[in-house]
Amino acid sequence: NAGVTQTPKFRVLKTGQSMTLLCAQDMNHEYMYWYRQDPGMGLRLIHYSVGEGTTAKGEVPDGYNVSRLKKQNFLLGLESAAPSQTSVYFCASRYRGRYEQFFGPGTRLTVL
Amino acid sequence: QQQVKQSPQSLIVQKGGIPIINCAYENTAFDYFPWYQQFPGKGPALLIAIRPDVSEKKEGRFTISFNKSAKQFSLHIMDSQPGDSATYFCAATYNNNDMRFGAGTRLTVKP
Repeated sequence: NAGVTQTPKFRVLKTGQSMTLLCAQDMNHEYMYWYRQDPGMGLRLIHYSVGEGTTAKGEVPDGYNVSRLKKQNFLLGLESAAPSQTSVYFCASRYRGRYEQFFGPGTRLTVL
Repeated sequence: QQQVKQSPQSLIVQKGGIPIINCAYENTAFDYFPWYQQFPGKGPALLIAIRPDVSEKKEGRFTISFNKSAKQFSLHIMDSQPGDSATYFCAATYNNNDMRFGAGTRLTVKP
């Protein structure tokens, strides 16, 4: 099993450009999450999904959109990237009824 | 404003030492307190977790101490090894969907 995978691993954008980050999991997990990690801030939840077709806002949702069309995939979109969105983005997933979240390897995004 | 405050930011110990990382929280609704370990270039991985109805939990060389009245919890690493060098994050949640993380502690264990 690959676990949680993220695509791409690295990306550089210019201000105003858009992009989509893909998270995929092969563990049949119901719940999926997107976090951003910034120095001195720990991880902060952007959006999450409790099942296919459902999404909810986390702690820092502004400037991001998400979609969960398939159970195994969770997409994070930036419609108009800003330098403040320079960060490392992590996806995570877990089983319903279990607390452990499994994290992907991260995507390092730089917005110039 | 972070709901979980973690200290210290960085910690250096000798091999065999016992590093201690502390966290404090405000929200008394939190009912699950995990610690995650992260190596450079990797995603965090669950190390150990505790619920507020117990005061201590041990798993191998890792121990969580929990003080509900003080709203504090800490991670102790017994007989630390160079392979334990990593960044450690405490976290807290009340529904496991809105997890609040501390800022992280970078631990270095010197041989």
